[in-house]
Amino acid sequence: GQSLEQPSEVTAVEGAIVQINCTYQTSGFYGLSWYQQHDGGAPTFLSYNALDGLEETGRFSSFLSRSDSYGYLLLQELQMKDSASYFCAVRSLNNTDKLIFGTGTRLQVFP
Amino acid sequence: DAGITQSPRHKVTETGTPVTLRCHQTENHRYMYWYRQDPGHGLRLIHYSYGVKDTDKGEVSDGYSVSRSKTEDFLLTLESATSSQTSVYFCAIRRTSQGETQYFGPGTRLLVL
Repeated sequence: GQSLEQPSEVTAVEGAIVQINCTYQTSGFYGLSWYQQHDGGAPTFLSYNALDGLEETGRFSSFLSRSDSYGYLLLQELQMKDSASYFCAVRSLNNTDKLIFGTGTRLQVFP
Repeated sequence: DAGITQSPRHKVTETGTPVTLRCHQTENHRYMYWYRQDPGHGLRLIHYSYGVKDTDKGEVSDGYSVSRSKTEDFLLTLESATSSQTSVYFCAIRRTSQGETQYFGPGTRLLVL
């Protein structure tokens, strides 16, 4: 089977750095994506790692290590508006049309 | 914004009634998806389409059917709604030029009484 595991909840204060981990058990996949979803809203695309290593987009960075079956989303200089749920997702080699999503991590940022 | 709209945005219906949700896109994307989202389950794929009249099942397809007669519209039908189908339904498109990136519609909140 294929599954992606994330912590259910993470808390931090404004200005801090937080890391949201995603570990997966899958036979193979094309890259790791991250999505953000605010309460009552739709998921929105944040980042994509096609290869191992670090991808940086402003305050957000995403990392992938296929050998460790592990990835993470790093959020720096946290702001209140970063309070949201974050989902990792992979596209399986077995069916390249589908994305498999993790169950999501709820980030709460406190002042 | 990927030009995706969903209708209705909210619906309350009774058990046993048929319900159809519509997803409309304006950018001519080949791939369209229907997900449901429930607390503790994240996003689960119901059905998807890879072209007009080409559809396939996702992981939670029981009780749902889909149709795609035009590129821009992807319909999700609950033939006989049940309370377990109370959920938030998201439609998404995939921009193949951007690999695995999916863009989601605003969602439909469905309550089955």
